[in-house]
Amino acid sequence: KNQVEQSPQSLIILEGKNCTLQCNYTVSPFSNLRWYKQDTGRGPVSLTIMTFSENTKSNGRYTATLDADTKQSSLHITASQLSDSASYICVVSEGHSGTYKYIFGTGTRLKVLA
Amino acid sequence: ETGVTQTPRHLVMGMTNKKSLKCEQHLGHNAMYWYKQSAKKPLELMFVYSLEERVENNSVPSRFSPECPNSSHLFLHLHTLQPEDSALYLCASSPASGGRSEQFFGPGTRLTVL
Repeated sequence: KNQVEQSPQSLIILEGKNCTLQCNYTVSPFSNLRWYKQDTGRGPVSLTIMTFSENTKSNGRYTATLDADTKQSSLHITASQLSDSASYICVVSEGHSGTYKYIFGTGTRLKVLA
Repeated sequence: ETGVTQTPRHLVMGMTNKKSLKCEQHLGHNAMYWYKQSAKKPLELMFVYSLEERVENNSVPSRFSPECPNSSHLFLHLHTLQPEDSALYLCASSPASGGRSEQFFGPGTRLTVL
């Protein structure tokens, strides 16, 4: 069964600290993996997208990694800011052309404290 | 803003009411989606439209009725809902249908069914 699992469920850190969020998936065949940030009361906004051949990709203070062999991804946030408080959702797409299969994780809720 | 707007942002309705959610995308995309987001659950895909044609219906109860009059607009008509239908309803669009296209999400409609 295609699944995406994220950990931890929630995380509290102090402003300025780094953190790493995890995403494990069993989706096959794999097409791509995206990390989204969802602020409270808002829709998700894409942070990064990674395909099979990409190991790491950065977007400002956000760095995503992908290990296609172990089917794991991580999102590292550097020098966290209060505005990073949000839910972070990992989404994996199946590799079949013409399908509409986006498999969503339940998200990690991050709270950054001053 | 992501280029996808949704109205209303908040809606409270009784079980016997009829209401509609509206989504509009200003991105020139060909595919549009309705998702349901409940607390501590992954996003649930409800409907997919590609070039105004419904291409996926994920076993959604008939009390939810989608309508896509053109590629820029998507509606979700609601009638005789149940309290368990209370959730955040997200609309998304993508350049093409299929899991390889990035989705752009609207801010959502927070629905409460009394």
